[in-house]
Amino acid sequence: AQSVTQPDIHITVSEGASLELRCNYSYGATPYLFWYVQSPGQGLQLLLKYFSGDTLVQGIKGFEAEFKRSQSSFNLRKPSVHWSDAAEYFCAVRANQAGTALIFGKGTTLSVSS
Amino acid sequence: DADVTQTPRNRITKTGKRIMLECSQTKGHDRMYWYRQDPGLGLRLIYYSFDVKDINKGEISDGYSVSRQAQAKFSLSLESAIPNQTALYFCATSDWDSYNEQFFGPGTRLTVL
Repeated sequence: AQSVTQPDIHITVSEGASLELRCNYSYGATPYLFWYVQSPGQGLQLLLKYFSGDTLVQGIKGFEAEFKRSQSSFNLRKPSVHWSDAAEYFCAVRANQAGTALIFGKGTTLSVSS
Repeated sequence: DADVTQTPRNRITKTGKRIMLECSQTKGHDRMYWYRQDPGLGLRLIYYSFDVKDINKGEISDGYSVSRQAQAKFSLSLESAIPNQTALYFCATSDWDSYNEQFFGPGTRLTVL
C-alpha cells in the first residue's frame, strides 16, 4: 500500500539556520510528490511539487526539495529559516487507487527560535 | 474572494445530531475531496468526487455521507455525530489533469460533545 512517512514530529531551528524536513514514500512507480504548509489556524498551501524531470524542485518562499528515487525520499530544504516559517509541513503522494486524491504524511511541526 | 470556501468555519454540536458541512468552489474544477485532519495523524481522505455523478469512498468514509449538488458544491454530512468525529475538516478541489495540484479550503473545525 502507498504510504508517506515523515520521521520527525517536531523540529526546532534557530532563525537564519538551514532546514531539512524528511519525507519517505512507498510507491511502485514514479510518484507525484507534494509539500504543503499549514500555518496556525490556516488551510494548506502548496510549497512545491514533483512529477518528473529535474529531481531538484524549487518552490515558493525559498523552499526546495530533492527527489531521490534510490532512497524513496523527497526532503524539503531551506537555506535560511525565517520566524514566519514556523508552521506544520506535510509531505504527500498522489494516491494510485483514488484518482488524484493525496496520501499525506503525519506532518512535521517546525518551531523557529530567535 | 477565496476560490474554495467552507461553511461553517467552526461548529460545536452534540452526540447524535445531524451535521452538514458545505464546500463551494469558483475554480471551475471537476474534482472535489473531503479530508479530515487529526493531531498527529495528518490528513485522511473521506470521500472524493470526479463529477456530479461520480462519488467514491475514501479511506475513512464510515459515519459520513456526501452530496455533490453541482459542479461547484460538495457537502459532507454526519448523520449521527459522535465525539471521535471531532476534527478539522478540509475540502479540496483539483482539475482533471493528472499533473494537478489540490487547492484547499480554510477548513471547518467541528467539535462533537
